[in-house]
Amino acid sequence: DTAVSQTPKYLVTQMGNDKSIKCEQNLGHDTMYWYKQDSKKFLKIMFSYNNKELIINETVPNRFSPKSPDKAHLNLHINSLELGDSAVYFCASSRGPYTDTQYFGPGTRLTVL
Amino acid sequence: GENVEQHPSTLSVQEGDSAVIKCTYSDSASNYFPWYKQELGKGPQLIIDIRSNVGEKKDQRIAVTLNKTAKHFSLHITETQPEDSAVYFCAAFTGNQFYFGTGTSLTVIP
Repeated sequence: DTAVSQTPKYLVTQMGNDKSIKCEQNLGHDTMYWYKQDSKKFLKIMFSYNNKELIINETVPNRFSPKSPDKAHLNLHINSLELGDSAVYFCASSRGPYTDTQYFGPGTRLTVL
Repeated sequence: GENVEQHPSTLSVQEGDSAVIKCTYSDSASNYFPWYKQELGKGPQLIIDIRSNVGEKKDQRIAVTLNKTAKHFSLHITETQPEDSAVYFCAAFTGNQFYFGTGTSLTVIP
């Protein structure tokens, strides 16, 4: 059974479009995260939600808006996509916001043309 | 905030040899240090971790050491195998957030 799943796995779109990436975890965790991994493999946290509440909001353009309908889901919506948004986006979850081990999803490779 | 540096960025070893990856951190409040392995096309997976009250931890061919005074920790892989080829990330947890290193691409040559 997949612990943290993301859809879609690949996303190719034109500049200026709006797109969403979905994430679901079946681990019963309270905390979920979005990370961006650039072409140099650098992992940078974007957002974190705990029990549907935003707890980490790093310096990210406001074109990115996370939404957590329940604690098992954390979706990422991106408006007015730009070339620089091309990256792999990873969702992750952990038991709590101040506990340790994070479990990562398989990633969504976003390519903006 | 925390700053985690990781070296080397690429590492090639012959099968059977050992591989060592080193990380340094800046925030003395960091108390948990996981290592993740990322295979091609997959998300990072935890392979070993160490807490600040422990100096060394071993799990079969993988070991991690921590020097709190010097603020550095290392991943050691012995008897490397081709399936160890991947990108490895260190991370430091400050109590409320993770900070990742820049990754090491390890290639094990058969």
